[in-house]
Amino acid sequence: QKEVEQDPGPLSVPEGAIVSLNCTYSNSAFQYFMWYRQYSRKGPELLMYTYSSGNKEDGRFTAQVDKSSKYISLFIRDSQPSDSATYLCAGREGGGNKLTFGTGTQLKVEL
Amino acid sequence: GAVVSQHPSRVICKSGTSVKIECRSLDFQATTMFWYRQFPKQSLMLMATSNEGSKATYEQGVEKDKFLINHASLTLSTLTVTSAHPEDSSFYICSLGPNAGLAGVGRYEQYFGPGTRLTVT
Repeated sequence: QKEVEQDPGPLSVPEGAIVSLNCTYSNSAFQYFMWYRQYSRKGPELLMYTYSSGNKEDGRFTAQVDKSSKYISLFIRDSQPSDSATYLCAGREGGGNKLTFGTGTQLKVEL
Repeated sequence: GAVVSQHPSRVICKSGTSVKIECRSLDFQATTMFWYRQFPKQSLMLMATSNEGSKATYEQGVEKDKFLINHASLTLSTLTVTSAHPEDSSFYICSLGPNAGLAGVGRYEQYFGPGTRLTVT
């Protein structure tokens, strides 16, 4: 079993839709959770990070963490074609630097 | 966030040759840099943690004699793939992490470079 599981997609939605991206993880020691966006042939860029359980909102993006079920989500409101990319979730143990990534979900937002 | 560059962005080499990839922090002094490898449709896999002025720490299954890492300054880390073979063809990405001595969640962010596409023929 992988430490972080993520549906690879592709996920195709119409412009303006609400997108829900999800990951599950197995490492109970994870304290920090990140979402990265990666455009084709580019390095990942940090979108959001959260600590422990809870919600965090930044513009059109909302990250949710439920540590009891080991489930993390990223919601994108009013999705735009420019949001088309691969979204990677990652977990990190408290006090450490090592990130463990999911495989990434490829998102396509169509006009 | 920090700006990270990688050079080259793309390289094609013949089997058996060595390739060096540079990772530079353009505006931040990084005591720690990370090297990842990403195969198509797969997640980023951490290969090693590069510490300035000391030996790199390799993840299980990564051959340290094949993937030589040098972190000679606070702004430069290099990865050399020695005696490359076609199975080493991949997307290599570095990232840097701020000084672990600083407090706060934000201080643990990792900033990624644009990646280097290596093709071994």
